[in-house]
Amino acid sequence: QSALTQPASVSGSPGQSITISCTGASSDIGYYNYVSWYQQYPGKAPKLVIYEVTDRPSGVSNRFSGSKSGNTASLTISGLQAEDEADYYCFSYTTASTYVFGGGTKLTVL
Amino acid sequence: QVQVVESGGGVVQPGRSLRLSCAASGYIFSNYGIHWVRQAPGKGLEWVAFISYDGAKETYADSVEGRFTTSRDNSKNTLYLQMNSLRVEDTAVYYCAKRMDTSPYTLDIWGQGTMVTVSS
Repeated sequence: QSALTQPASVSGSPGQSITISCTGASSDIGYYNYVSWYQQYPGKAPKLVIYEVTDRPSGVSNRFSGSKSGNTASLTISGLQAEDEADYYCFSYTTASTYVFGGGTKLTVL
Repeated sequence: QVQVVESGGGVVQPGRSLRLSCAASGYIFSNYGIHWVRQAPGKGLEWVAFISYDGAKETYADSVEGRFTTSRDNSKNTLYLQMNSLRVEDTAVYYCAKRMDTSPYTLDIWGQGTMVTVSS
């Protein structure tokens, strides 16, 4: 159950777009379309922003989008805003019937 | 309002046991699986365990397999995490999170967490 690999940090200026990658294996991301992404502010519970690779829950801004290619999933945030500054985690189901998170990425809005 | 609320955290010595609870409200608890997730201080999220809607299936992370047991009482709308043989590295905020209605492998409703500190 190795954690999915995410960059430790990414940054961007307001209005720009950023992409956070999440690399797994053929036994998790590469096998299923069950990748979700969570946003977490310091001291707060995580919040779902993308599920099943590309779907957005009701109430989440359409500036958030997801994609997948092979064993790597990605979260893109367009039109970056100060309120997007947070930690982001990917999450996937695995062929062992377990689940795994990515190590997390700290997004800084410059 | 759909919500889950964790309780039972505290300070415990290494090797001892602790039981966490997660009280659910605002939805039909017995229809949904539910997860435990933890976060060590300053670290990332770690999936801990899952229990199916009826309690028939449980899965665990390797790091807690054999030491932690999750269970549920659908008559009380409550989830439990029995943690035995606690280690210093189990120190974390523990969250329960409900499975999403339309996506069984997604966590949509999270509690605020309960802190567990394992220290001598």
